[in-house]
Amino acid sequence: SQQGEEDPQALSIQEGENATMNCSYKTSINNLQWYRQNSGRGLVHLILIRSNEREKHSGRLRVTLDTSKKSSSLLITASRAADTASYFCAPVEGGSEKLVFGKGTKLTVNP
Amino acid sequence: EAEVAQSPRYKITEKSQAVAFWCDPISGHATLYWYRQILGQGPELLVQFQDESVVDDSQLPKDRFSAERLKGVDSTLKIQPAELGDSAMYLCASSRGRGQETQYFGPGTRLLVL
Repeated sequence: SQQGEEDPQALSIQEGENATMNCSYKTSINNLQWYRQNSGRGLVHLILIRSNEREKHSGRLRVTLDTSKKSSSLLITASRAADTASYFCAPVEGGSEKLVFGKGTKLTVNP
Repeated sequence: EAEVAQSPRYKITEKSQAVAFWCDPISGHATLYWYRQILGQGPELLVQFQDESVVDDSQLPKDRFSAERLKGVDSTLKIQPAELGDSAMYLCASSRGRGQETQYFGPGTRLLVL
């Protein structure tokens, strides 16, 4: 099973700005998932994108997947202070159900 | 909305003592996971259950850690004896079943070993 690597490790923006986080992985995948973790809390599932999908939206979230580059990005539009959290990607290999998390991107949205 | 329950939320113990964490998954969820998260890192899977059976415990330090899910519902993770390096957040998650990709996480138990 493989681990996603998020970039940047930390991101600080002003409220209202867009935030973009990237995830790279090494081998072919079945799907890739993004999770959010508020400080000291459990993880919350945000979006699952399958290997045959290129883009997916959920509210202010937009996830893209480029399997040729083995990368994904998470865009949060019109960010809010409540979006302050760590964001993790988890690429899932075919035939596996295991989530292997990287170190995440720590996003700070300043009011 | 149903949630994964964990207790205690915080635990302070001295090294060489025994500690236990409890998790109650979302009702009807057959698959249960225990993760350990060290500060600044992502969660690492310790053990996965399908109903009452262990599916994956390859990363569980079996000399000191044990996990059970006797009736296929709630689960207990035990550490005996605790070591300083065990200080971490212990997260429980559940999913509807194997191959049901979305995992639902509980709030976690933060363990400090002194």
